[in-house]
Amino acid sequence: DTAVSQTPKYLVTQMGNDKSIKCEQNLGHDTMYWYKQDSKKFLKIMFSYNNKELIINETVPNRFSPKSPDKAHLNLHINSLELGDSAVYFCASSQGGQGVYEQYFGPGTRLTVT
Amino acid sequence: KNQVEQSPQSLIILEGKNCTLQCNYTVSPFSNLRWYKQDTGRGPVSLTIMTFSENTKSNGRYTATLDADTKQSSLHITASQLSDSASYICVVSARGGTSYGKLTFGQGTILTVHP
Repeated sequence: DTAVSQTPKYLVTQMGNDKSIKCEQNLGHDTMYWYKQDSKKFLKIMFSYNNKELIINETVPNRFSPKSPDKAHLNLHINSLELGDSAVYFCASSQGGQGVYEQYFGPGTRLTVT
Repeated sequence: KNQVEQSPQSLIILEGKNCTLQCNYTVSPFSNLRWYKQDTGRGPVSLTIMTFSENTKSNGRYTATLDADTKQSSLHITASQLSDSASYICVVSARGGTSYGKLTFGQGTILTVHP
């Protein structure tokens, strides 16, 4: 069984469109994350949710809006897509967010904006 | 500013050989340091996690060391296999406050193992 799953795996869209990426975890974790991996392969956190509550909101444009309907799901909606949004987006989850905890990553969603 | 720097950027070795990857960090206050393996087209997978009090941890052929005084870590891979070809990412977690669950990632070392 897949622990952290994301859909879609690939997403190609045009500038100005609105798109969503979905994430689900079946590990029973209470904390979920969205990361962006740019072309230089740096992973950078965007958002963190603990028990459906927003904990971390890094300097991310307002066009990005996370939504957590329950502890097992964390979706990412992006409005008015721009070329610079092209990247691989990873969802992750952990049990707790402080201290020594294991983060489990999803397979990633490669977003290409043309 | 919290930063994690890794060296070398890329490394090519022959199957069966050993190698060591380096990581320097400036993350403060320090909580723990992790090494992740990321295969092409996949998400990162954790290899080791070390806290301040641990200076070495092994996971099979992978051995990580931590020197919290000099803020350096290394990942040693023994008897490399073709499947070790991947990006190895050093990740440091800060402790407390607004750093809740926040990890700082290095840019990774791309390891290629040739037969």
